[in-house]
Formats: sequence, C-alpha cells, structure tokens
Amino acid sequence: QQQVKQSPQSLIVQKGGISIINCAYENTAFDYFPWYQQFPGKGPALLIAIRPDVSEKKEGRFTISFNKSAKQFSLHIMDSQPGDSATYFCAARSGTYKYIFGTGTRLKVLA
Amino acid sequence: DAGVIQSPRHEVTEMGQEVTLRCKPISGHDYLFWYRQTMMRGLELLIYFNNNVPIDDSGMPEDRFSAKMPNASFSTLKIQPSEPRDSAVYFCASRATGQGNEKLFFGSGTQLSVL
Repeated sequence: QQQVKQSPQSLIVQKGGISIINCAYENTAFDYFPWYQQFPGKGPALLIAIRPDVSEKKEGRFTISFNKSAKQFSLHIMDSQPGDSATYFCAARSGTYKYIFGTGTRLKVLA
Repeated sequence: DAGVIQSPRHEVTEMGQEVTLRCKPISGHDYLFWYRQTMMRGLELLIYFNNNVPIDDSGMPEDRFSAKMPNASFSTLKIQPSEPRDSAVYFCASRATGQGNEKLFFGSGTQLSVL
C-alpha cells in the first residue's frame, strides 16, 4: 500500500514531441504528489507538485494530470527538448513527512 | 546557502569493511532523510529524522545499517559489514517544517561500490 508504481522505465522522444510518464498508487491517505527531475551525477530536484484536490497543474511546458478516482497521476512534458533528458521520479507523501518515490523513468529526447 | 552536502562523493571498499557516509543538511532544516537509489528499486527511503531524533527507520534493510544524527548539522549512515549488494547511490535530503515547505532538498549523493 505504500508503493508508487511508475511507468515506463525508459522513454525516447523526438525533439518537440510530448513525453508522458505515469504513476499509480493505492494508499488514499497520500496527500501530496511531487515530481522530481534528476540529471546524471546530481541529486533529484523538485520539478512540479500537485495536491489531490486539483485535477491538473501546469508550469511552463510541464503539466501534472491527477485522477483521484483512478488513483493515478501523470507528468506531461510538452515540446520536449534535449535538455529535458534526465531521470524523472514521481512521489507521494504519506503522513506529513514521509515521501515514497517511484522507480524512475529515464527520458531521452533526441535532437 | 551551500545546499545539502554529502561526503564522500565516491567510495570503493571491499566486502566486510565498514563504510560511513556523511551528510550536512541545510541550516534551519529540521527534517533529514536518507535514501538509497538503485536501478531496480529506484529511490528507497531508509530512515528519516526530526530534530535529530529518528522517526521512521522501517526502510533500513537490516542490522548492518545504522544512522545517527548527533546534532542539527550532521548525520551519518554506517554499513558494517558492507556487502556487494549494498552498492548503490546514497542520498541525503533535508526540508523545513510546515506547510509550504514540502520541497525536499537533495545532496549530490555518495556512489558506493562494494567489491
């Protein structure tokens, strides 16, 4: 119940295309859903986050879509750029301070 | 602020040796987290502290792993004895208390290789 399942494991997208990464959870007590971006040799950094009372959040080219009834959420990267090539982690917060991460998606955007 | 500082960046050791990983959180942050990253399992939470007190260590894989936080500016993760399956990247992260402070700040990690 504490798991967050993420797919796909890896993704290759052409420059200008849309990248979509999906996550699913079971614990309805999760109350905060962030996405983290990690470049090689660096720690993950917060990209965008959403709370379950909102169905969508957009920041620039990055959008989170949240489906509370299906217990799923996804990250959409519009107009994907080579600089977006990184590993993306979805996460969910359990309780106030415990963050559970997905297994990660390695995105490569071809120039 | 220098961010979360971890040392060493890389550690290569032989099976059976003791390994100590170090972390300095961001000043003023009262929550500290240790995560382990592997290809197969992604980012796994090992343990987290609040005000230097361990709150949840349910992710610590076994008794060979221990973590301490003797003061607000320093934490260690120790593996004794180390095994090849412990090879991974270990991250430390910190955050401040309160709503509006949900962001975790990660260090650059320690790449551990146990031969």
